[in-house]
Amino acid sequence: KQEVTQIPAALSVPEGENLVLNCSFTDSAIYNLQWFRQDPGKGLTSLLLIQSSQREQTSGRLNASLDKSSGRSTLYIAASQPGDSATYLCAVPYGQNFVFGPGTRLSVLP
Amino acid sequence: ETGVTQTPRHLVMGMTNKKSLKCEQHLGHNAMYWYKQSAKKPLELMFVYNFKEQTENNSVPSRFSPECPNSSHLFLHLHTLQPEDSALYLCASSQEQSPSYEQYFGPGTRLTVT
Repeated sequence: KQEVTQIPAALSVPEGENLVLNCSFTDSAIYNLQWFRQDPGKGLTSLLLIQSSQREQTSGRLNASLDKSSGRSTLYIAASQPGDSATYLCAVPYGQNFVFGPGTRLSVLP
Repeated sequence: ETGVTQTPRHLVMGMTNKKSLKCEQHLGHNAMYWYKQSAKKPLELMFVYNFKEQTENNSVPSRFSPECPNSSHLFLHLHTLQPEDSALYLCASSQEQSPSYEQYFGPGTRLTVT
């Protein structure tokens, strides 16, 4: 069974800091991983879908990496802004579906 | 409208009521999903429809009944719910039921069972 964990559970940083969010999974036989953002009480917005063959994917100030062998993915956010405050979830394939991590709740303070 | 829409956005119902949640996607996708998100728990997959056929029922109680009349619409019929069913119910769609395809989510329905 695929289990997904995210560390830290919550993070509070001052504006302008670079930060790293971590996602770990137990079954490394995956071919991609998706990162989402969720604002309070809202749906999920897809940020990045990273293929295992890519190892890294970038979108603006976001950079996601994937290391299948160690069962880890990281989401790097550069020059954080208050608008980045949200919960960030990773999702890992299992069978025909995704298993979601519990999320990291990020607060960026002005 | 574009993307995935859900109605209503908020719903309060008693334990003896019957109500339905609606999801509509305007993306031309063939797979649609219902997820449940409870406080402090990871997202839980409930049902999946692929090309209008139900392919997943993740041990969901029978008081939740899905319906997919066509590839663009998905319903979740609710009856005799329990207070622990209070949660955010999210609908999603993808090109097909496969992790190869990105999932697109609606804004969710916040359900409160009193």
